[in-house]
This record gives sequence, structure tokens and C-alpha cells, in this order.
Amino acid sequence: GDSVTQMEGPVTLSEEAFLTINCTYTATGYPSLFWYVQYPGEGLQLLLKATKADDKGSNKGFEATYRKETTSFHLEKGSVQVSDSAVYFCALGDSGGGADGLTFGKGTHLIIQP
Amino acid sequence: GAVVSQHPSWVICKSGTSVKIECRSLDFQATTMFWYRQFPKQSLMLMATSNEGSKATYEQGVEKDKFLINHASLTLSTLTVTSAHPEDSSFYICSATLGLAGVDTQYFGPGTRLTVL
Repeated sequence: GDSVTQMEGPVTLSEEAFLTINCTYTATGYPSLFWYVQYPGEGLQLLLKATKADDKGSNKGFEATYRKETTSFHLEKGSVQVSDSAVYFCALGDSGGGADGLTFGKGTHLIIQP
Repeated sequence: GAVVSQHPSWVICKSGTSVKIECRSLDFQATTMFWYRQFPKQSLMLMATSNEGSKATYEQGVEKDKFLINHASLTLSTLTVTSAHPEDSSFYICSATLGLAGVDTQYFGPGTRLTVL
């Protein structure tokens, strides 16, 4: 079945550091890929997505590129802020629309220190 | 943006009782809602897919008689944990989607923490 593997946390960085959170997946077909963020006490929010190979999703300074050859969707940000502290989930969904449930990774807790 | 609410946000119950959790899409009509379960430091696991007006589709290993799902309207889905036991203690999260072809976004509720004593 489909699965998502992302790096274990917590990841602790200083403000303005470069961030990479690795995510790899296994899936049949051509899934859509997502990064969700969960701030303390809040529900998951879609951060960015990519629906086909070589697509780059971006939002709020975060980027991730859909790499079919390496089955990866690593999350990056050039300069993190304290407000980026949250749990980040990589997820995949069947292509074709929002009618299918998502498969999530375990989540990576990111802590940014001033 | 689309908002999904859940009620209650947390609940504590005695073993053997039933608990109902509501999931509402506040500003859009959701043709499809999903229920997930999250254990501490684990990923969200899809439990079931709920389409308005039809029976829910449960993932393998999820007991449909244990976790009753009703999707009576385009803005409300309920999950009832029947005869709850301590092993049912978990964080339950719903999401809702417009379900349109090519629209992948699911909007998530804040979750409900269930503790069964």
C-alpha cells in the first residue's frame, strides 16, 4: 500500500537557519503530494502541494519539488522564523481530486529558537 | 478560507459508554468528509470516508460497528464511538472537501481528544 516516510524530530534550529525536512513516498500510480502544518492547538493546514512530477509547490517561503525519480518531496525554507515552530506532515493522495483520504507521514516537530 | 469545526474538543468518558463527535463545515458544503485517528507521536490514520447521504467506507481493520459514522447533511458528519474502551483513547480528526474533480484540498478540523477511563 501507499506510505510516506519523513524524518524524525524534533528538529531544532536557530532563527534564520536553512531548513530541510525530508519526505519520501511509495505509491502506485501518480499521487498528489502535500505538506500540512499543525500549529499548537490548531488543526492541520495545507502549506503547499504538487500534483505531478517536477511541480514545485510554494507558500510562505516554503518550497517542495515533486521528484518522481527519487520519490521525494522534501520541504525547504531558506530562513526560518520562530513563528515557523510547528509540526509538519508530509502526505500523499490519489490523483484525481479530493475524494480520497490522505496517507500521512508521522510528522516532524520543528522548533525554532531565537 | 474554508473552516471545519469539531465538537467537543475533548471528552472523558467511562468504559462502556458511547461518545459522539461532530464535524461541521462552517462556510462550504462538503460532499465528502474523512475521519482520521492519531496516536501520540504517530501519523494520522484514515479510518473512513463519508459521503453525504450514503454509507461510509471504512478502511481495512476499522470496525464499522464500533465507529458509527453518519453524514446526514452537506455540512455535518458525526462519529460515534460505541461501547468505548481505554484502547479507543486517541485524537480523532475530521476533514472535509468539496470533492470536485481536480480539487485536492482537504480542510481539517482541530481534532477531538477522547480519553476513556
